[in-house]
Amino acid sequence: KAGVTQTPRYLIKTRGQQVTLSCSPISGHRSVSWYQQTPGQGLQFLFEYFSETQRNKGNFPGRFSGRQFSNSRSEMNVSTLELGDSALYLCASRVASGTQETQYFGPGTRLLVL
Amino acid sequence: AQSVTQLDSHVSVSEGTPVLLRCNYSSSYSPSLFWYVQHPNKGLQLLLKYTSAATLVKGINGFEAEFKKSETSFHLTKPSAHMSDAAEYFCVVTRNQAGTALIFGKGTTLSVSS
Repeated sequence: KAGVTQTPRYLIKTRGQQVTLSCSPISGHRSVSWYQQTPGQGLQFLFEYFSETQRNKGNFPGRFSGRQFSNSRSEMNVSTLELGDSALYLCASRVASGTQETQYFGPGTRLLVL
Repeated sequence: AQSVTQLDSHVSVSEGTPVLLRCNYSSSYSPSLFWYVQHPNKGLQLLLKYTSAATLVKGINGFEAEFKKSETSFHLTKPSAHMSDAAEYFCVVTRNQAGTALIFGKGTTLSVSS
């Protein structure tokens, strides 16, 4: 079974631009979560989607948003990019929300904001 | 509130010697705990998971961890280190009983010398 895939793997943007990242979960997984990894803050939860609905949100500004499609694929959007948004963005999928199911991570998208 | 503390930011061992990575947790309920590993420029891989079954959990690549409620600890061990074990290791707890979000420790970098 294929793992979680994320596209693109690398991205360079400039301040003020917006960016969209994509995540395809493991087949049969309906929950997708997003995390941001930076050297200073470590790994932080952004949000989780299940059945096209946001189920939970971390402590990030409204510039960070996401959505999930009927095939469980998810996109994350960051508007008005800031230098501090440079990070590795990780997507994780699991079978369902509301359980202690293991989350499986993709390889991440590395975003550099200049 | 849920939290994890990884007691060492960096651990160095020689190949063939035991590995001990320490993690303490705080939880207001019976938690699910995980250890994930991240190799350079790779995503996160699940090593093992504790979910209130056996307190000694065996994972992949010879790693195991013991859940000690009285000490609120979940230390990761391996009898004999291999060069390929060099990576960053994260101790993780679920944010709530629904398992909606993961809370990561700051990570421990394991170096293995020959």
